[in-house]
Amino acid sequence: EPEVTQTPSHQVTQMGQEVILRCVPISNHLYFYWYRQILGQKVEFLVSFYNNEISEKSEIFDDQFSVERPDGSNFTLKIRSTKLEDSAMYFCASSRGILEQYFGPGTRLTVT
Amino acid sequence: SQELEQSPQSLIVQEGKNLTINCTSSKTLYGLYWYKQKYGEGLIFLMMLQKGGEEKSHEKITAKLDEKKQQSSLHITASQPSHAGIYLCGAASKTSYDKVIFGPGTSLSVIP
Repeated sequence: EPEVTQTPSHQVTQMGQEVILRCVPISNHLYFYWYRQILGQKVEFLVSFYNNEISEKSEIFDDQFSVERPDGSNFTLKIRSTKLEDSAMYFCASSRGILEQYFGPGTRLTVT
Repeated sequence: SQELEQSPQSLIVQEGKNLTINCTSSKTLYGLYWYKQKYGEGLIFLMMLQKGGEEKSHEKITAKLDEKKQQSSLHITASQPSHAGIYLCGAASKTSYDKVIFGPGTSLSVIP
């Protein structure tokens, strides 16, 4: 069964460093998303992406964040200058239509 | 903004017992998702409900959406240790259907 994959599974970085989280969505899906979950808190929407552009973003998704679909298979989230409060589990999701989002296993980002 | 509440917050049941988890929305739902999350892992899509009064089943899990589309329940029949995890309900709104707003989750433990 096709699934969303994410790399790396765990990333440790120092404050101020740039990180890129990678995702391979399900191959025939057209909509892509990033969510995050700070330890012990709710899963929060960050951004949705369709037709090579951002369709919606939350207030969390500020200028430090960017997304890209560099080729036909990858979908990336970049954080330019990480802060301690960026430590969280980051989930990528994809969907064929606007509903039924399928999530990846997540990347645990630890900022020290 | 839309808010979701879940009850109970946590649940411990004996294997073989039935259980119900509830999800209540502050606004009418366009779509209601149920996901399962194993501790520290990704979200597994269980089912999605859209129509008032709709009911769906997958193996021993049944989810219902009320007629007013503001409440959903997830019922597990004859629970097993494999059902243990965190159950999340998520809402898609008509004005912003490409993002999912998640509830806080219900933690389920099943004692053999």
